[in-house]
Amino acid sequence: AQSVAQPEDQVNVAEGNPLTVKCTYSVSGNPYLFWYVQYPNRGLQFLLKYITGDNLVKGSYGFEAEFNKSQTSFHLKKPSALVSDSALYFCAVRDIKTSYDKVIFGPGTSLSVIP
Amino acid sequence: GAVVSQHPSWVICKSGTSVKIECRSLDFQATTMFWYRQFPKQSLMLMATSNEGSKATYEQGVEKDKFLINHASLTLSTLTVTSAHPEDSSFYICSAMDRDWVKNIQYFGAGTRLSVL
Repeated sequence: AQSVAQPEDQVNVAEGNPLTVKCTYSVSGNPYLFWYVQYPNRGLQFLLKYITGDNLVKGSYGFEAEFNKSQTSFHLKKPSALVSDSALYFCAVRDIKTSYDKVIFGPGTSLSVIP
Repeated sequence: GAVVSQHPSWVICKSGTSVKIECRSLDFQATTMFWYRQFPKQSLMLMATSNEGSKATYEQGVEKDKFLINHASLTLSTLTVTSAHPEDSSFYICSAMDRDWVKNIQYFGAGTRLSVL
């Protein structure tokens, strides 16, 4: 069965420093991988996705993520954090081998950027 | 980007009443919509997958008669919480996937906070 792990409940980073939010996954086939961000009392906003092609994916708001097949990871990164990046981040995976429409979300990581 | 409208954003109701939540894709056609439930500081729990013109597919443990889903058109899906009880209080979020599967992106509504008294 497909699953997603986000090993850190909370990540704190100083404004201007690089940030990393970790994600690992488990699927039986090839994964489609996604990152979403959620602000308080709001729905999720799409940040970026990996389907195929280059392992480094660039997305919205200066975020990027690197697909690492050997480590089954898809960590989210940003070179310089902003206070406005503080939010809840969800990694998600879709296993194209087993289901074309089911996406599983990780538990979420709360990011706090400290001024 | 594609927009999904979810209404209402907040509803308070008495125990035993039913509440309907609407999810609309405003600028694209969504053959598939999803309904999630989210508890405070937790991830999204998929409740059901809604396909236009057919019965919804419910996840294990989700009561079909309790959470009625209707997907009557390519732009509208509704979730009705029937005979609501305080334990149904939660944040409900819908999402829609573009008809073009190649895009592979779910677009989310802003969510509905349900409080059952």
